[in-house]
Amino acid sequence: AQTVTQSQPEMSVQEAETVTLSCTYDTSESDYYLFWYKQPPSRQMILVIRQEAYKQQNATENRFSVNFQKAAKSFSLKISDSQLGDAAMYFCAYRSSNYGGSQGNLIFGKGTKLSVKP
Amino acid sequence: DAGVIQSPRHEVTEMGQEVTLRCKPISGHDYLFWYRQTMMRGLELLIYFNNNVPIDDSGMPEDRFSAKMPNASFSTLKIQPSEPRDSAVYFCASRRSGGGWSPLHFGNGTRLTVT
Repeated sequence: AQTVTQSQPEMSVQEAETVTLSCTYDTSESDYYLFWYKQPPSRQMILVIRQEAYKQQNATENRFSVNFQKAAKSFSLKISDSQLGDAAMYFCAYRSSNYGGSQGNLIFGKGTKLSVKP
Repeated sequence: DAGVIQSPRHEVTEMGQEVTLRCKPISGHDYLFWYRQTMMRGLELLIYFNNNVPIDDSGMPEDRFSAKMPNASFSTLKIQPSEPRDSAVYFCASRRSGGGWSPLHFGNGTRLTVT
């Protein structure tokens, strides 16, 4: 079974600085999808960025980018020019690409709580 | 696009009572998921549907939990009887088919407190 591990329960960053959140996963599959979701205090789950495993190029979305290392099974999130509104829980998630019963499910890590200091 | 709509936003009930959580997925989405979030266990999948049919309910904790999807625009998660350990935030999420690339869209969750 696949697992997702976020080893940093909490992180802190100064406003305007850069921070990297770590995520590792375990799978025997070669094709899959990876996601980062943000959960602010409002508790809404918001998609931040996504990556297809067969693409070597790292995904970017404005100030958010990932460092995808397939061999190492690592999928870290980098937030540049951190803003106060970035303060939230961040969840890394994995989804299989198999078109079977498990194809729909997202497997989440336990999350990293990010604080942004003014 | 109204997003995934969940109701109620908060629910407080006494142990032993029946609780029903409701979800309206995004129109056109044919996958619907129910997740539970707690501090101890994080986000756990309870059950998911494809085209209104339950596909995987292995995450449903016990027989006290049941979920239905009578049509493409409505789903319920019922707990009967409720217990204090059921206190959590329950999320409904939906997505369209066409590959794993399609992201999950979450509702705002229902915070359930069982006293």
